[in-house]
Amino acid sequence: DQQVKQNSPSLSVQEGRISILNCDYTNSMFDYFLWYKKYPAEGPTFLISISSIKDKNEDGRFTVFLNKSAKHLSLHIVPSQPGDSAVYFCAASEKYNYGQNFVFGPGTRLSVLP
Amino acid sequence: GAGVSQSPSNKVTEKGKDVELRCDPISGHTALYWYRQSLGQGLEFLIYFQGNSAPDKSGLPSDRFSAERTGGSVSTLTIQRTQQEDSAVYLCASSLVVAGGPGTDTQYFGPGTRLTVL
Repeated sequence: DQQVKQNSPSLSVQEGRISILNCDYTNSMFDYFLWYKKYPAEGPTFLISISSIKDKNEDGRFTVFLNKSAKHLSLHIVPSQPGDSAVYFCAASEKYNYGQNFVFGPGTRLSVLP
Repeated sequence: GAGVSQSPSNKVTEKGKDVELRCDPISGHTALYWYRQSLGQGLEFLIYFQGNSAPDKSGLPSDRFSAERTGGSVSTLTIQRTQQEDSAVYLCASSLVVAGGPGTDTQYFGPGTRLTVL
């Protein structure tokens, strides 16, 4: 049973528009969430994180929103650029349990069309 | 220094052979993680090291899989009697696990080892 779900395997967006990537989780003990970006033939790279004490975290064009009651988070990219085309993984952990592994979602492939 | 490195980058082996995959974490990172990504799948957690110890081995798919870490640095993932279903990209990550502070346990990934079992 997947604890972290990304129900959209792929998403296509026009350059300059907003990309919204969604992630849902089932474990109410998760309190730290991260987004990773992965290009082909490379390892994932950390993008942005959010802890459960916040409902929004912004870093440049990237904003992550957390809705704890709905166990849902989303990553907004605006404006989207062709270089943003990659697979985006949502990950969750019980942050203050340092022996705990991160649980990753299956990923969403974003294609930003020029 | 450099990021996480993994070797080999590609490995093709015959069914039934043993393979050993290596991970060099970022210097000073005490936590090390192994994942695999099968074709079209997300990242599957395999095992985690805190220093040289692995408190949770339940993610290993079978007893053909083992991992060790010595000196709190380099880790090897060994797959014995490989099967075709073991074909995947094996990713290693490390993180600086210290108490407190956001971002200290962000994982930094290596480029992965692509394993193909014929």
